[in-house]
Amino acid sequence: SAVISQKPSRDICQRGTSLTIQCQVDSQVTMMFWYRQQPGQSLTLIATANQGSEATYESGFVIDKFPISRPNLTFSTLTVSNMSPEDSSIYLCSVAQTLDRAAEAFFGQGTRLTVV
Amino acid sequence: DAKTTQPNSMESNEEEPVHLPCNHSTISGTDYIHWYRQLPSQGPEYVIHGLTSNVNNRMASLAIAEDRKSSTLILHRATLRDAAVYYCILRDNNAGNMLTFGGGTRLMVKP
Repeated sequence: SAVISQKPSRDICQRGTSLTIQCQVDSQVTMMFWYRQQPGQSLTLIATANQGSEATYESGFVIDKFPISRPNLTFSTLTVSNMSPEDSSIYLCSVAQTLDRAAEAFFGQGTRLTVV
Repeated sequence: DAKTTQPNSMESNEEEPVHLPCNHSTISGTDYIHWYRQLPSQGPEYVIHGLTSNVNNRMASLAIAEDRKSSTLILHRATLRDAAVYYCILRDNNAGNMLTFGGGTRLMVKP
């Protein structure tokens, strides 16, 4: 199993500012992902965080808006840049320990972001 | 990932069994069927997965149709703590190990 610590758990931010969310895992993992969950909606994948290289972004998400770092196998950050009220969502970190499609994925508790 | 279809919501009485259906008519032969659930104010958590045979674990059972075009998650005795959104997800070799979430089924449990 993997235990994920996400910080902060929640924040209220002014529009135009940026927030960096941290994801720390208690063991080395192969895959790390960032998801967004807009109010009342399901989860949408933002990007795959790749160790030592640029993240792989899904359609509709760009690096300038959501820069991601992954310096090692246990840690990643997601920054939400130049925020607007439309960015108010829950942001979740997820990890998988292997590439096996039968493998269980683990999720952090999420960061609840409100932009005012 | 192939598409899944689930009812938007279901209701159950406490301590009764619950059968949560999922249709995945375009499933390929190598797709695994995964179920996750999301309790209020928490991240999703793994429930169970299977390929062809029915599966049981401490949380639930997974019944997979013979043609694999549908599956059912079975909670044997629902508790209030089981109130959550349940997601049925297909995972294949090309998925890059990420999960593609559909709308899920919101399960409400009445005392």
